[in-house]
Amino acid sequence: EAQVTQNPRYLITVTGKKLTVTCSQNMNHEYMSWYRQDPGLGLRQIYYSMNVEVTDKGDVPEGYKVSRKEKRNFPLILESPSPNQTSLYFCASSSSSGETQYFGPGTRLLVL
Amino acid sequence: QKEVEQDPGPLSVPEGAIVSLNCTYSNSAFQYFMWYRQYSRKGPELLMYTYSSGNKEDGRFTAQVDKSSKYISLFIRDSQPSDSATYLCAMIDYGQNFVFGPGTRLSVLP
Repeated sequence: EAQVTQNPRYLITVTGKKLTVTCSQNMNHEYMSWYRQDPGLGLRQIYYSMNVEVTDKGDVPEGYKVSRKEKRNFPLILESPSPNQTSLYFCASSSSSGETQYFGPGTRLLVL
Repeated sequence: QKEVEQDPGPLSVPEGAIVSLNCTYSNSAFQYFMWYRQYSRKGPELLMYTYSSGNKEDGRFTAQVDKSSKYISLFIRDSQPSDSATYLCAMIDYGQNFVFGPGTRLSVLP
């Protein structure tokens, strides 16, 4: 089954404790992206990647890092999480320029 | 002013009604336009996408784009309770920057 998977689905952590949210897709897609979704603000793009070793900032990259060492994986790293990073995070992938993105199930993060 | 504006709703309609969902945008560099549907506690799923002005139809859904007015719409005919969800418009510019509207919550009442 073609899908985008994220882990963990739920995470509670404390300020400053580094964490990684993994994202994997099995569709051989070149384009992958991370978003955060907050009430009233909708989905905002954090980082995206056009292909392996190619990443670029989205609208809200501050406080986040990504890497794309393999085509299928695109982890999101929070080096020093803060409470304002409490949000619902989605990973997405696409085969071409990104207009037909497939989304993962989401990761709900709470930073205390 | 946000790049993409969308009426947040909530919008409640009776079953069988025609629903009109709208977005306006300010960036003339947007070239692809999409509508996503998001059920509660789920990731968004793509409904339709288009890259030119005009109408595109898919079953009960019609997407309309007016680039001159920077306005896009999604029409749902014969709405069903299963259409109850949040609808997000989305756009991509030439630099592959992907921007979503804040979403409109729709409830279709049986």
